[in-house]
Amino acid sequence: DAGVIQSPRHEVTEMGQEVTLRCKPISGHDYLFWYRQTMMRGLELLIYFNNNVPIDDSGMPEDRFSAKMPNASFSTLKIQPSEPRDSAVYFCASSLGHNNEQFFGPGTRLTVL
Amino acid sequence: KQEVTQIPAALSVPEGENLVLNCSFTDSAIYNLQWFRQDPGKGLTSLLLIQSSQREQTSGRLNASLDKSSGRSTLYIAASQPGDSATYLCAVRLLSGNTGKLIFGQGTTLQVKP
Repeated sequence: DAGVIQSPRHEVTEMGQEVTLRCKPISGHDYLFWYRQTMMRGLELLIYFNNNVPIDDSGMPEDRFSAKMPNASFSTLKIQPSEPRDSAVYFCASSLGHNNEQFFGPGTRLTVL
Repeated sequence: KQEVTQIPAALSVPEGENLVLNCSFTDSAIYNLQWFRQDPGKGLTSLLLIQSSQREQTSGRLNASLDKSSGRSTLYIAASQPGDSATYLCAVRLLSGNTGKLIFGQGTTLQVKP
């Protein structure tokens, strides 16, 4: 298996633009997680899904952030409108069962100017 | 509220040295604890997962221990190599509530000098 796949790897955009990050989990995994990593706050869970259904979105910072999982092999995290403080590395992870190892993708480095 | 702390934030050792990385957590009601490695500009690689009922787990030169009652875990690296240089993160999974959620420490950045 190729592991968790994320795209794009790097994204530079201007304030106010819409940003869409994409994730393909490991085939067969039923849990998908979106994290954000910054120097100041470390790794924070934004939202996670079980069988394509959002379970906990309490980490989503504000209404500008939204996430979807239309099927078992694809998820998106959207920021609209983007702001400079959204600049971070966004990771997607997946696992088989909620108590088992989480496997992380390579991340998307987002820069909002 | 569960908080995870890793001390020290950075560590530099000569090659060949055995070393210990520390992780502490405030609430002992955890399901399990996972250690990760992160290389610069890369994602996280899972190293070891310790269930709350376990005391330790081993993989090659790595040994992770868990003392749930005292809220501590250690990652022992034997005979360190320059290739071990990376940031090491620990994360705990809560026992109740949304148990899919991992709470991460800030990490220890390790440099192993040749």
